Amino acid sequence: GIQVEQSPPDLILQEGANSTLRCNFSDSVNNLQWFHQNPWGQLINLFYIPSGTKQNGRLSATTVATERYSLLYISSSQTTDSGVYFCALTGGGADGLTFGKGTHLIIQP
Amino acid sequence: DAGVTQSPTHLIKTRGQQVTLRCSPKSGHDTVSWYQQALGQGPQFIFQYYEEEERQRGNFPDRFSGHQFPNYSSELNVNALLLGDSALYLCASSLGTELNTIYFGEGSWLTVV
Repeated sequence: GIQVEQSPPDLILQEGANSTLRCNFSDSVNNLQWFHQNPWGQLINLFYIPSGTKQNGRLSATTVATERYSLLYISSSQTTDSGVYFCALTGGGADGLTFGKGTHLIIQP
Repeated sequence: DAGVTQSPTHLIKTRGQQVTLRCSPKSGHDTVSWYQQALGQGPQFIFQYYEEEERQRGNFPDRFSGHQFPNYSSELNVNALLLGDSALYLCASSLGTELNTIYFGEGSWLTVV
């Protein structure tokens, strides 16, 4: 099946810093999305981005499908940005999302 | 507009017991998927229900079964619970297979002792 690798696994930053999270995938994929999981477990959609670039406030994402990677950018980090960020996608004929292991982000005040 | 709602939020079961988890999809959504998330891992796809039928299944044993009702709500049943079934169970709803519409619930935390 599709392999999804996220890096870095852990990231600790000071408030105000910028960060780049990476998602590599092993094959042609569809429905690539970025999620933020809050401390209570809920997954919140950030971007649906099978290709191209999107921006939403301090967050932006870019997917280069031909090179099999996606990037999530967080600028001017706030403590509320802390949590786990997941990349997820479908591929190989599967309808269910395949998730990476996530990047655990901690923003310190 | 209520999002995806799941119940119960937390529960503790004993090995060998059976559990039923429930999910109501977001208004307007007709497809429900279930995911299992072990501690420190990403969610794993269990199965998806559409028009009251299981459309696709991930790599989970037959102990995991489900059902979708005419109002699109869904249940996940797990029989003969193992310690390794302890996890966060997430329900997601979408409009058909349009995953750009997917919404997740807050999950049910299952502990098997």
